Amino acid sequence: QQPVQSPQAVILREGEDAVINCSSSKALYSVHWYRQKHGEAPVFLMILLKGGEQKGHEKISASFNEKKQQSSLYLTASQLSYSGTYFCGTGNTPLVFGKGTRLSVIA
Amino acid sequence: DGGITQSPKYLFRKEGQNVTLSCEQNLNHDAMYWYRQDPGQGLRLIYYSQIVNDFQKGDIAEGYSVSREKKESFPLTVTSAQKNPTAFYLCASSPPGGRKTQYFGPGTRLLVL
Repeated sequence: QQPVQSPQAVILREGEDAVINCSSSKALYSVHWYRQKHGEAPVFLMILLKGGEQKGHEKISASFNEKKQQSSLYLTASQLSYSGTYFCGTGNTPLVFGKGTRLSVIA
Repeated sequence: DGGITQSPKYLFRKEGQNVTLSCEQNLNHDAMYWYRQDPGQGLRLIYYSQIVNDFQKGDIAEGYSVSREKKESFPLTVTSAQKNPTAFYLCASSPPGGRKTQYFGPGTRLLVL
């Protein structure tokens, strides 16, 4: 079952904050977050595990709400380099990816 | 340096032609995957393999074939049966263990002449 991401796209000015959500209709045990820049491969940012939270990257953090079957990615004080498409991946082998959230940071 | 390599970076296919995309990893990962990505779209799973000599179809396997003769290698053949092959193809691998984090290669862009 493909997780649902929201919003589909967001535009920020440098220094603003953003939240990207990933929801599943199935029970979640872990959530992976990736960022893909235009024309490049997705890069792993962090993994959220059931019962725990891991911060993995720059000023980007995430939370995992098992009851709501949802994970949220928080981008704080956004930089131009944060621009790209963010994917969440759930499940086991293979991961099932959401359709992505396109984030654009402008000066 | 350990990593995943894909070649070529760009590939051109003529009508009726089969083409093979290479994916090699030296990370000692057990599982390997192939995804297709169309412009502005997400990642769609073509095939995956968890062990040598075994692989499973993903969501869009029609028109594609794979082999897994070595742990390090997982080539993808785009056959002439795939009528719309133009896309960005990504190979990934994941280590054994519980977390199953997938790491991606740089991708191959396939274009039809």
